[in-house]
Amino acid sequence: SQQGEEDPQALSIQEGENATMNCSYKTSINNLQWYRQNSGRGLVHLILIRSNEREKHSGRLRVTLDTSKKSSSLLITASRAADTASYFCATDARGGANSKLTFGKGITLSVRP
Amino acid sequence: SAVISQKPSRDICQRGTSLTIQCQVDSQVTMMFWYRQQPGQSLTLIATANQGSEATYESGFVIDKFPISRPNLTFSTLTVSNMSPEDSSIYLCSGIPGSSYNEQFFGPGTRLTVL
Repeated sequence: SQQGEEDPQALSIQEGENATMNCSYKTSINNLQWYRQNSGRGLVHLILIRSNEREKHSGRLRVTLDTSKKSSSLLITASRAADTASYFCATDARGGANSKLTFGKGITLSVRP
Repeated sequence: SAVISQKPSRDICQRGTSLTIQCQVDSQVTMMFWYRQQPGQSLTLIATANQGSEATYESGFVIDKFPISRPNLTFSTLTVSNMSPEDSSIYLCSGIPGSSYNEQFFGPGTRLTVL
């Protein structure tokens, strides 16, 4: 069964606006990773956040993790048309030599020029 | 990070045939994985490719249908055997570099259509 569940399932915003995507999961994790996928191509790794971290930044991306609520959010600031893609969260329950990702269903983000 | 390539990028195959997908990483990775992404769906892990030994398959996937090889730390193959239209999917390989804290990097995928 899917571990991560993203919401909303689809998001449409105007260029320049911020996009917030949420991910909830059911069991404890070692880390959580966010990916972007353009038009059925390969996945681009965005950010990994460890279970003992609460927030990470990378350029226009900000990821938060609340292990008490079993949830994470991905914020894209000042969105661009090129950010249009599907975004997936993936949880890794154990990490290390037992690392294994379980993916959510994904969020489709459309950024209108 | 790691740069991962896959061959072929896409193929159209006839029912009952088999296709072998190659995955090449530009650096040594400790772990390699194969995923399937059915049309409009998320990714599902098929198996962990173990170097020099049999792959570890997830529930619902078997070696006879998806044989996997991993002869060294940078290369793996996945074969989709005796294909049916239900096997039409994108197949992706991924790897975790030794220098990485569990960041898993993906190849561009192989888009398979079975007629």
